[in-house]
Amino acid sequence: EAQVTQNPRYLITVTGKKLTVTCSQNMNHEYMSWYRQDPGLGLRQIYYSMNVEVTDKGDVPEGYKVSRKEKRNFPLILESPSPNQTSLYFCASRSLGHDSGNTIYFGEGSWLTVV
Amino acid sequence: KQEVTQIPAALSVPEGENLVLNCSFTDSAIYNLQWFRQDPGKGLTSLLLIQSSQREQTSGRLNASLDKSSGRSTLYIAASQPGDSATYLCAVSSGGSYIPTFGRGTSLIVHP
Repeated sequence: EAQVTQNPRYLITVTGKKLTVTCSQNMNHEYMSWYRQDPGLGLRQIYYSMNVEVTDKGDVPEGYKVSRKEKRNFPLILESPSPNQTSLYFCASRSLGHDSGNTIYFGEGSWLTVV
Repeated sequence: KQEVTQIPAALSVPEGENLVLNCSFTDSAIYNLQWFRQDPGKGLTSLLLIQSSQREQTSGRLNASLDKSSGRSTLYIAASQPGDSATYLCAVSSGGSYIPTFGRGTSLIVHP
């Protein structure tokens, strides 16, 4: 079954304590991306990756890091979380080939609260 | 830069009505357009994907159309049910980059 898996799904952490949200996809997709979703602001892209070792900033990258060492994994790193990073986070992936329609797949979301 | 607008932002209708949700985009050089459904606090579920060469796609009671020249897509929901209550988002992928731009969604409530 095609899946994008995020962990943890729910997390409460304290300001300044480094955390990583993992994202893994089993579809051999080239493109992966992280979004945050806040009330009234919609989905905002944090970082994206077009392939292994290729990452780029989205619209709201400040305070976040990513890496793409393997094709299936795209972790989101908060080096020093702050309360304004409290949000619902989504990982997404898609194929960049022309054989699959290029459907975007989303993970279930990760609720992050920084106190 | 591509901009995507969804109107209305919110919609409340009685059960059984046929609905039209709108998605407008500014750059007509798109690769494809995808409609999603999101239940509160949940992930996004893909409903329909329309390639730039297509005019419409259908799945059950849902029909999505695409008019690139006018920069519009519509999602038609026939015979709405309370279970259709959710937020509906469209994502437009521009030709060449594959990076999707999302609208802010239409929040739909279908009451019995």
